Amino acid sequence: DAMVIQNPRYQVTQFGKPVTLSCSQTLNHNVMYWYQQKSSQAPKLLFHYYDKDFNNEADTPDNFQSRRPNTSFCFLDIRSPGLGDAAMYLCATSRDNRGADTQYFGPGTRLTVL
Amino acid sequence: GQNIDQPTEMTATEGAIVQINCTYQTSGFNGLFWYQQHAGEAPTFLSYNVLDGLEEKGRFSSFLSRSKGYSYLLLKELQMKDSASYLCAVRDSNYQLIWGAGTKLIIKP
Repeated sequence: DAMVIQNPRYQVTQFGKPVTLSCSQTLNHNVMYWYQQKSSQAPKLLFHYYDKDFNNEADTPDNFQSRRPNTSFCFLDIRSPGLGDAAMYLCATSRDNRGADTQYFGPGTRLTVL
Repeated sequence: GQNIDQPTEMTATEGAIVQINCTYQTSGFNGLFWYQQHAGEAPTFLSYNVLDGLEEKGRFSSFLSRSKGYSYLLLKELQMKDSASYLCAVRDSNYQLIWGAGTKLIIKP
């Protein structure tokens, strides 16, 4: 089955210790997104790639970086995690970002910062 | 600014019908999505509306009124597994998806 996969599902890191979250997709979608979601809040878009074009949201902290080495994979790097970065990180993909193009989500990575 | 409003929490009884409302104020409109999100899991797509009216899909229906900036999700014959958060999201004129905080639906036996 075509899908969006995120690894790991749970990640524990220490304050200030860099961490990388990964996402892969077998849908061959052009667009990949990274969202941060805290409890009972709306998903917050951090950035997205349209193919190789990187689009950073204006309010995404510099502490968050992303890489998309090929169509299938996308990584989220948190350079110096703070306690406020503890959240669920969701990767999503869509064929395009127009009209009815639906975003399909991976299962998420829950990040704990000690 | 752009805004999506949904009730924070609703409670309903198994077997009943519930309507979850969503009002939006966005710069432009290119469609409205409803997603279901179980606790600790990722959102899954439920429905998409771009024209006014009702879209029915099994036990779930979604309604849109663009002139009122209003949508609702109607869930019939509620089952315990329907306990989840339901998120409304609007695609604006820049094709950005603006998300609501979700409505937590609690189903009681």
